[in-house]
Amino acid sequence: GAGVSQSPSNKVTEKGKDVELRCDPISGHTALYWYRQSLGQGLEFLIYFQGNSAPDKSGLPSDRFSAERTGGSVSTLTIQRTQQEDSAVYLCASSLRDPRDRGLLGSPLHFGNGTRLTVT
Amino acid sequence: AQRVTQPEKLLSVFKGAPVELKCNYSYSGSPELFWYVQYSRQRLQLLLRHISRESIKGFTADLNKGETSFHLKKPFAQEEDSAMYYCAPGEGNLIFGKGTKLSVKP
Repeated sequence: GAGVSQSPSNKVTEKGKDVELRCDPISGHTALYWYRQSLGQGLEFLIYFQGNSAPDKSGLPSDRFSAERTGGSVSTLTIQRTQQEDSAVYLCASSLRDPRDRGLLGSPLHFGNGTRLTVT
Repeated sequence: AQRVTQPEKLLSVFKGAPVELKCNYSYSGSPELFWYVQYSRQRLQLLLRHISRESIKGFTADLNKGETSFHLKKPFAQEEDSAMYYCAPGEGNLIFGKGTKLSVKP
């Protein structure tokens, strides 16, 4: 596809339910990132993948949050037993290279449109 | 690892006025830095990167190693510049700055 694709674009769920958010990165991009954007909180890093492995899970806010990536492509972010404070826009991004590798030219992140999650 | 800070949450200027969005970094080596922008109802996108020394939409950002800064500047702000701006490291930890909301008034 032309860009990073996220689905669904909007999700309303009841407190306590599980949700799955999907991200389809740009073809050929090996690194994939999940961020959360809340009003007044800016952009909060959650996790990133290089290929199918996640070298950095430090941003996941609790053990209710998990993510996986298969085939070096699509990723899903799962939130179990959702809480109202989970309401936010969840952004996915991809880039050409591993952010741990330094290069003469940085490899910028390409973001999707996000999934707006509302927990009622 | 690189860290960036954006001290201003909100910046409000009038159309035609100069604008400077501040970003400071902490890194002992040669930093790799970007500015991203998010216009209303659009996706977050790259604005410019320090390595290319480019000017995009009239914006420039110069790396000042003495002041450890990478401030984003535009001499004459336009209403369409109103957006959320994020400073970000290009490698290492992936923690963006908190963002600065720029509001350009007519």
